[in-house]
Amino acid sequence: NAGVMQNPRHLVRRRGQEARLRCSPMKGHSHVYWYRQLPEEGLKFMVYLQKENIIDESGMPKERFSAEFPKEGPSILRIQQVVRGDSAAYFCASSPSLTGANTGELFFGEGSRLTVL
Amino acid sequence: DQQVKQNSPSLSVQEGRISILNCDYTNSMFDYFLWYKKYPAEGPTFLISISSIKDKNEDGRFTVFLNKSAKHLSLHIVPSQPGDSAVYFCAASGLTGTASKLTFGTGTRLQVTL
Repeated sequence: NAGVMQNPRHLVRRRGQEARLRCSPMKGHSHVYWYRQLPEEGLKFMVYLQKENIIDESGMPKERFSAEFPKEGPSILRIQQVVRGDSAAYFCASSPSLTGANTGELFFGEGSRLTVL
Repeated sequence: DQQVKQNSPSLSVQEGRISILNCDYTNSMFDYFLWYKKYPAEGPTFLISISSIKDKNEDGRFTVFLNKSAKHLSLHIVPSQPGDSAVYFCAASGLTGTASKLTFGTGTRLQVTL
């Protein structure tokens, strides 16, 4: 059973370009979370999705950021018109249940590191 | 608004001794508390958790203590091993609406020396 797969692992973009980060959850997991880690900081919740639905996007910046988890295929975190402040590690996590995060059933990918020049 | 705080950015402990990592929180609505371990260039991995109705949970070398009145929890690692050197994140969870999500502290870098 493969773990949470994220790609690309490293992405370099120039200011104003778009960044697309992909996440394939563990098999059988329908709950996906995205977190962002800025340098020297902890992980900040961004968005929680289930298949085809955004459940909680309270941590997402209001502009330029969007996320989806289609019926088929990976979850996508999209950042339009990137700025230097978007440089961070973006982690995806998946869980088999709504409350899995409470007891450690939240499994993280290795992260995608975005660098904006 | 930092709801989960780890005030020690780093800790150095000798191999074989006890490591104590601390965490404070402000939101009394949190139901669960967890510790995650993170190596460089990897994602966090779950270590141990505790429900808010308990004050202690033990798993091998790892024990988490919860003091609800002080809104404080700690992770004890004994004996510490070189492979324990990593960044440790404290996290808290509370079922808000339909979403169960984790709020993380800023992490403590543990260095276990020989």
